[in-house]
Amino acid sequence: AAGVIQSPRHLIKEKRETATLKCYPIPRHDTVYWYQQGPGQDPQFLISFYEKMQSDKGSIPDRFSAQQFSDYHSELNMSSLELGDSALYFCASSLGSRGSSYNSPLHFGNGTRLTVT
Amino acid sequence: AQSVAQPEDQVNVAEGNPLTVKCTYSVSGNPYLFWYVQYPNRGLQFLLKYITGDNLVKGSYGFEAEFNKSQTSFHLKKPSALVSDSALYFCAVAEGNNFNKFYFGSGTKLNVKP
Repeated sequence: AAGVIQSPRHLIKEKRETATLKCYPIPRHDTVYWYQQGPGQDPQFLISFYEKMQSDKGSIPDRFSAQQFSDYHSELNMSSLELGDSALYFCASSLGSRGSSYNSPLHFGNGTRLTVT
Repeated sequence: AQSVAQPEDQVNVAEGNPLTVKCTYSVSGNPYLFWYVQYPNRGLQFLLKYITGDNLVKGSYGFEAEFNKSQTSFHLKKPSALVSDSALYFCAVAEGNNFNKFYFGSGTKLNVKP
C-alpha cells in the first residue's frame, strides 16, 4: 500500500540558509500535518492543513511557512536556519473529518533529517 | 488541556515474556487514544487506536491496549515479546473533536533481550 512520501530523506544546510521539505500524502488523504522531532524528543506539532487550507498551528517558528497544494502535497519552507532547527521533520496524512466522528489515524512518512551546521 | 504521560523512559523484557508499556492521559472531553511505534531513523507507525467501544483494542503485530477510564490509562501490551519489538513507543491523544492535533507522550524505549 502507498505510504506518505517525504523528500529529501537527508538535508544538510548552513546557518541562515533556507530549506524546503516536501510531503506527498497517501492517495485520497486530504489532511497533512507537520511535526518536528528533536534528538531524544517526542514529536512536536508544527502545522496542519485540511483541503489546502491551514487548519491548525502549533509551535511553528515565524521563520517557517508551509502550504498544501491542489494535489494535496505539502511543502514546509524554512528560512534563516538556526542550529536548533536540526531535527527530524515528519509529515503525516489522514482522511480529514472536520465536524464528524474521527475515523482516520495519522500515517507518518519516514521523515526528513535536517542538519544545520 | 490535553496531555499524555509515559512514566517509563525504558522498559526491559526478555523475549517470550509479556510486556506492558504504560500511558496515562488527561483530556477535557472524550479521549481518542493511539499508540505509535518508531524504529531507528524511521517514521512513526500506527499500531492501534481507541475511539469508542470495547476497552480492549487489538492492533498490529500482536499488540493490544486496554482503555481504563477510571484510571485514565491506555497501557500497551503484548503477551509474548519478540526481539524485533525493540523500538520506541509513543502514546498519543487527539484533541477532543479537533483532530488536527495529536499530543504525544515522551516515548518509552522497549528493549527485548533474547
